[in-house]
Amino acid sequence: DQQVKQNSPSLSVQEGRISILNCDYTNSMFDYFLWYKKYPAEGPTFLISISSIKDKNEDGRFTVFLNKSAKHLSLHIVPSQPGDSAVYFCAASEGNQFYFGTGTSLTVIP
Amino acid sequence: NAGVTQTPKFQVLKTGQSMTLQCAQDMNHNSMYWYRQDPGMGLRLIYYSASEGTTDKGEVPNGYNVSRLNKREFSLRLESAAPSQTSVYFCASRAYRASTDTQYFGPGTRLTVL
Repeated sequence: DQQVKQNSPSLSVQEGRISILNCDYTNSMFDYFLWYKKYPAEGPTFLISISSIKDKNEDGRFTVFLNKSAKHLSLHIVPSQPGDSAVYFCAASEGNQFYFGTGTSLTVIP
Repeated sequence: NAGVTQTPKFQVLKTGQSMTLQCAQDMNHNSMYWYRQDPGMGLRLIYYSASEGTTDKGEVPNGYNVSRLNKREFSLRLESAAPSQTSVYFCASRAYRASTDTQYFGPGTRLTVL
């Protein structure tokens, strides 16, 4: 059964507005949570991560929020830019293994 | 510094043929991984190697074998390819430090089994 879930296959946002991508997980033993960005015909690229002992991590326009009680994390992109259009995967790690969601395709409209 | 490299980029096989996908990293990482990506399924772990000399099964290991040749190289072998193994295969290496934990991915191998 899928331990990491991204329930929104796609999201469209106007340039300059906030993009919010969501992710849910079931395993309370996960150590780290990560977001990756993927362009077509390329490998995923690491974007931002958060340890399970924190609830927020910020890097420039990207902020990840972790709500352990709800087993939910989100990625906020502010302001959104057309170059942010890509598929975003959330992932979680436990020990040596990583588990990925199915991805959300973000389109930023100029 | 090339990061993670994979060969080949594309491959077409007939059912029953065998092949090896190659992966190398130049970042001196201990851990390496093989994933497959299928439409609507995200990335699923096939095998991983936590350190040189060790390998372990992931979520979907059936039909595959791996070899951790040295610290740099981690290969994935399909002994008798099946159409269900048509997928995009990604290799990754892991950077694990006190403050962060992430993986660096190669560009992928697109495999079609007829």
